[in-house]
Amino acid sequence: GQQVMQIPQYQHVQEGEDFTTYCNSSTTLSNIQWYKQRPGGHPVFLIQLVKSGEVKKQKRLTFQFGEAKKNSSLHITATQTTDVGTYFCAGHPTTSGTYKYIFGTGTRLKVLA
Amino acid sequence: DAGVIQSPRHEVTEMGQEVTLRCKPISGHDYLFWYRQTMMRGLELLIYFNNNVPIDDSGMPEDRFSAKMPNASFSTLKIQPSEPRDSAVYFCASRGPSRDGYTFGSGTRLTVV
Repeated sequence: GQQVMQIPQYQHVQEGEDFTTYCNSSTTLSNIQWYKQRPGGHPVFLIQLVKSGEVKKQKRLTFQFGEAKKNSSLHITATQTTDVGTYFCAGHPTTSGTYKYIFGTGTRLKVLA
Repeated sequence: DAGVIQSPRHEVTEMGQEVTLRCKPISGHDYLFWYRQTMMRGLELLIYFNNNVPIDDSGMPEDRFSAKMPNASFSTLKIQPSEPRDSAVYFCASRGPSRDGYTFGSGTRLTVV
């Protein structure tokens, strides 16, 4: 079936270091979303990417959507302790006849002060 | 706006008992989703509604699970009878006409002993 994988599964970084998580889909996506879930919390929507090759920035966060619309990445510059949490991508397959998004497996980020 | 409201926040029940989880979506949102989150399986979509009508329930594990949305401001997810393997965090999410990301509720942490 359709799958969305994320790597790495876990990442520990020192505060101030950069961080990147990658999202790969087995099928072409019409769009992709990114969410952040703090420990013990719920997923919070960060951004949606729609166009092939699209790049969007939110302060220290940079999001990219691949040219083939099958992969995406989230890059955090100079991590802070407030960046701790699990980052999920969620893709909507172009072949999907329904409105559901497939969530990736998530990357758990730990930032060491 | 109070966001998506779920109740209860925590539920501990004995195996075989009926469990009902409740959700109030954001006013004006026309899509409602029920997700289950576990360490092993991540975020799984159970069912979603559009304008109160169930559209895709292919993620509902088995007949013990049922969901209803009697009106635009209320939905329930029922498990009867509950089993220990149903222990998870259940999230409700809604999405509005702007078609941005989902807004998740705070979740219900269900423990079946």
